[in-house]
Amino acid sequence: DVVMTQSPLSLPVTLGQPASISCRSSQSLVHSDGNTYLNWFHQRPGQSPRRLIYKVSNRDSGVPDRFSGSGSGTDFTLKISRVEAEDVGVYYCMQGTHWPPWTFGQGTKVEIK
Amino acid sequence: QVHLVESGGGVVQPGGSLTLSCAASGFTFGRYGMHWFRQAPGKGLEWVAFIWSLGDGHFYADSVKGRFTISRDNSRNTLWLQMNSLKPEDTAVYYCVKGSTGTTDPFDYWGQGILVTVSS
Repeated sequence: DVVMTQSPLSLPVTLGQPASISCRSSQSLVHSDGNTYLNWFHQRPGQSPRRLIYKVSNRDSGVPDRFSGSGSGTDFTLKISRVEAEDVGVYYCMQGTHWPPWTFGQGTKVEIK
Repeated sequence: QVHLVESGGGVVQPGGSLTLSCAASGFTFGRYGMHWFRQAPGKGLEWVAFIWSLGDGHFYADSVKGRFTISRDNSRNTLWLQMNSLKPEDTAVYYCVKGSTGTTDPFDYWGQGILVTVSS
C-alpha cells in the first residue's frame, strides 16, 4: 500500500499570511496513463470532506484561487496564499494512482493564531 | 445538483450487523463507480469499499474484508454497505462518495455522513 505522509500535522497561521502543507508518498504517484492522481481535501469541524484539488494542481469549481497545488512524483504541496478565517479545519492529501486501497495522509490541522 | 444521503446508522453491539444505504440524485448514478469511506471519532479518513458502475466488481479495505459487502441498485439510484461481525473499531462516521466513470475525476461529492457506533 502507498503510505502518504503529511507535514506539519498542526499549522497555526496568522490571518492574511501564507500557509503551506507538504505531502509525500512512499512511491511515485505517476500513473501509467501519464496522470498523477493526487487529491487535496478540506474538512471543517462537523462537516464532510470537500475536494479542493485533483490531479495535483486542478482546483475544483468554487475553490478560491488563493489555494494552489503543486508537485510531482512523490512530493506535493498545498499552498494558501493568504489565509482566511474560513480556511480553518483539517487538510488531507489522498492518492488515487495505486489502488486499491486509496490512501490518505494523516491530516494537517490549520488553525488561526 | 448532486446529492448523496446516507441512512441506516445507529448503535449496534459487537458481533452485530447493520446495513447502510445511500440515496443518490443529481447525476447518472449507473455510470459511476461508488465508494464508502469512514472516519473514526477524532481520527483521519479511511477508504472502506468500492463498487464498479455496473456492480460487477468490488474492492475492500483489508480491515473490513470478509465482513462488509458493498452493493448497488442502479434502477433505484441506491448504494448499500452491509456490515457484519461488527467490532468496536468499526465505530465511525461513514460517507458515501461519488466515484468516476473512468474518464472523470472521482471524490467530488460526499454525503453528509452517518454515524455507526459499535458498543455493548
